[in-house]
Amino acid sequence: AQKVTQAQTEISVVEKEDVTLDCVYETRDTTYYLFWYKQPPSGELVFLIRRNSFDEQNEISGRYSWNFQKSTSSFNFTITASQVVDSAVYFCALSVWNQGGKLIFGQGTELSVKP
Amino acid sequence: EAEVAQSPRYKITEKSQAVAFWCDPISGHATLYWYRQILGQGPELLVQFQDESVVDDSQLPKDRFSAERLKGVDSTLKIQPAELGDSAMYLCASSLGQGDTEAFFGQGTRLTVV
Repeated sequence: AQKVTQAQTEISVVEKEDVTLDCVYETRDTTYYLFWYKQPPSGELVFLIRRNSFDEQNEISGRYSWNFQKSTSSFNFTITASQVVDSAVYFCALSVWNQGGKLIFGQGTELSVKP
Repeated sequence: EAEVAQSPRYKITEKSQAVAFWCDPISGHATLYWYRQILGQGPELLVQFQDESVVDDSQLPKDRFSAERLKGVDSTLKIQPAELGDSAMYLCASSLGQGDTEAFFGQGTRLTVV
């Protein structure tokens, strides 16, 4: 069975602080995909990144960066110099190659960035 | 920019009534998903279509929920009769492929059963 755990339920930071959102996943499959989505108060899930299990390269996109470590089954997300507009619920998700793209989500981390 | 369209955005219904949600995926996306998100939790898959065929409906409560995608484009999710525990956000998503491509989500339908 697959599982995604986001241990941090809520995080509150002050603007311009760096913040890291943790994600730990479980799967026995060797081919899988990891995702991060952002859910602002309006409700839609906004795609941020997709990683496959064979690509452990870290990725940076502007103020966002992702650290994928298979050895610890983690896929952590860091926001550098946070801004008020980053306030949202962030979800980590896992899909396994032979399950048709079904996403298994973590419980989400609610990030609040205060001015 | 192409997006997944859902309607209605909000729906309030009395328990035991029927309710339906509509989703129009991004043009060309063969895979369509319906997820249910209970407040404070992550979304969970209800049903997945590949074109007009159901690929996975193992988590769909089939005694009261039904879903269809007749022409392999837009889709309807129905609940009859609605129960108090069905109050949740219902999210539709679509993707080009399965698993190796990202899914794009609509704004969802927030259902309140009273």
